[in-house]
Amino acid sequence: AQSVSQHNHHVILSEAASLELGCNYSYGGTVNLFWYVQYPGQHLQLLLKYFSGDPLVKGIKGFEAEFIKSKFSFNLRKPSVQWSDTAEYFCAVKKEDTGRRALTFGSGTRLQVQP
Amino acid sequence: NAGVTQTPKFQVLKTGQSMTLQCAQDMNHNSMYWYRQDPGMGLRLIYYSASEGTTDKGEVPNGYNVSRLNKREFSLRLESAAPSQTSVYFCASSEGGGRVFYEQYFGPGTRLTVT
Repeated sequence: AQSVSQHNHHVILSEAASLELGCNYSYGGTVNLFWYVQYPGQHLQLLLKYFSGDPLVKGIKGFEAEFIKSKFSFNLRKPSVQWSDTAEYFCAVKKEDTGRRALTFGSGTRLQVQP
Repeated sequence: NAGVTQTPKFQVLKTGQSMTLQCAQDMNHNSMYWYRQDPGMGLRLIYYSASEGTTDKGEVPNGYNVSRLNKREFSLRLESAAPSQTSVYFCASSEGGGRVFYEQYFGPGTRLTVT
């Protein structure tokens, strides 16, 4: 079965610190990869996505993620976090070679940025 | 555009009671989804509807039924609520799917407690 692992459940950083959140998936076929963010009290929003091509993907608000196929990983990074980045971050995977439209989500990482 | 709307926002049920969660989207999307979000488990797909008139089971369909009333609306019904169904429920929609991914847009969620 396909699964998505986010090993960091709760991360606390000070403003201006660098961020890296891990995401690993277990499916061996072609995948589409996503990071969603959920700010407190708000909807899930798409942060960035990878379909093909350049494995380094840039998203909104200065976030980027790198797809490393050999490691089945899609880690999220930001060089300098802000207090407003406090949110929960979800990695998600879609199998590209099937008709299934739905995403498989990781368990999420709660990021707390201290001023 | 309101995007994806859900009602109610909060609900408390007693074991055995029934209720229907409503979801509507005004983006003319073909596909709609119901997820549940539980602490430490991320979002799990309950049911989805690829297009009007079709529904399919997701990862955790037991105890739920759905109706794709028309292109705009996709409801989730709990016939006999159980404490294990205490969760936050998210509806989402996307333009289409299959081999092509379209971004999923999420509603604000319904927080359900079953006592």
